[in-house]
Amino acid sequence: EPEVTQTPSHQVTQMGQEVILRCVPISNHLYFYWYRQILGQKVEFLVSFYNNEISEKSEIFDDQFSVERPDGSNFTLKIRSTKLEDSAMYFCASNPRSGNTIYFGEGSWLTVV
Amino acid sequence: SQQGEEDPQALSIQEGENATMNCSYKTSINNLQWYRQNSGRGLVHLILIRSNEREKHSGRLRVTLDTSKKSSSLLITASRAADTASYFCATDGLNRDDKIIFGKGTRLHILP
Repeated sequence: EPEVTQTPSHQVTQMGQEVILRCVPISNHLYFYWYRQILGQKVEFLVSFYNNEISEKSEIFDDQFSVERPDGSNFTLKIRSTKLEDSAMYFCASNPRSGNTIYFGEGSWLTVV
Repeated sequence: SQQGEEDPQALSIQEGENATMNCSYKTSINNLQWYRQNSGRGLVHLILIRSNEREKHSGRLRVTLDTSKKSSSLLITASRAADTASYFCATDGLNRDDKIIFGKGTRLHILP
């Protein structure tokens, strides 16, 4: 069964460093998302992406964050100048069309030290 | 906010019993989805119920939706140890390309 894949599964980074989290959404899906979950807390929406542009973003998704779909398969989340509070599990998700099931990857644990 | 809110926050039951979790939300929706998350793992989609549906079944899962009360319930029958996980409801809005918003989840613990 097709699935959303994410890399790395876990990354430890120094505060202030830049991090790129990678995702390969399910082939032929059109909508892409990033969510994050701080340990022990709820899953929070960061950004949605459709037709090669951001369709919606939350207050969390400030200038520190950016997303890109550099080719036909990858979907990346870049976090510049990481802070301790960026430590969280980051989930990528995709959706074949609006109103359908959204499929999530296994997540990327980011630990900022 | 369209955010869903689950209750109870935590639930412990004996293996073999049924587990019921509830979700309430605030705004009109197109659909509501339930997900499971094992500790430290990804979000596994369980079931999607559309706003024009009232009940849906999938194996041991039964989901109901009451749009007049803006609430949904997830019933797991004949619970097993492997059902121990957190369960989240997530709602979309009425926009065509809307994201889904998660509730805080219910932590379900099945006792042997």
